[in-house]
Amino acid sequence: SQTIHQWPATLVQPVGSPLSLECTVEGTSNPNLYWYRQAAGRGLQLLFYSVGIGQISSEVPQNLSASRPQDRQFILSSKKLLLSDSGFYLCAWSGLAPQETQYFGPGTRLLVL
Amino acid sequence: DAKTTQPNSMESNEEEPVHLPCNHSTISGTDYIHWYRQLPSQGPEYVIHGLTSNVNNRMASLAIAEDRKSSTLILHRATLRDAAVYYCILRRLSGNTPLVFGKGTRLSVIA
Repeated sequence: SQTIHQWPATLVQPVGSPLSLECTVEGTSNPNLYWYRQAAGRGLQLLFYSVGIGQISSEVPQNLSASRPQDRQFILSSKKLLLSDSGFYLCAWSGLAPQETQYFGPGTRLLVL
Repeated sequence: DAKTTQPNSMESNEEEPVHLPCNHSTISGTDYIHWYRQLPSQGPEYVIHGLTSNVNNRMASLAIAEDRKSSTLILHRATLRDAAVYYCILRRLSGNTPLVFGKGTRLSVIA
């Protein structure tokens, strides 16, 4: 069966520090991968999605970037965190066919101080 | 993508059926109707989806209006574990576009 992992589960970082969040998927190959963010009390915002290695689509211009160095690995990064980057970061995967269900990971809760 | 409109919040008594409405008056013929829910402190999970006919699965039922401009997610017997934010999302048939979440409906279940 397929599983999706995210780490770390929680993170407290100072403003201006770098960020690296990792997401890996097991039990499937060539998945579509997604990063979402949910600020406190807000809705889910799509940040990036990827349909293959090295292929990243950015939905919202900001100080975050994403990379997909391997088929089942998706990394979210920042060179300098802002206070507004605090939130709940969720990685998700889906198959390639139309209408495939998206499966979400457990999330990383990030607090920028 | 066509937009959906849902009530901000709803309340239900435990063991009672719950009908969560969704309006999508600008839906196109190739849009599927998807429902996801997000339990507290968790990522969203898939509930059900459909195109034109009503759909049933172990979690819920989806009733789609004949003109497809609205739909209703039905939880047959609400439990405390069903307290969550429920999202109604339209997805175009072609391709596998990412889910775009609105504000959803926050369902509270009272014991």
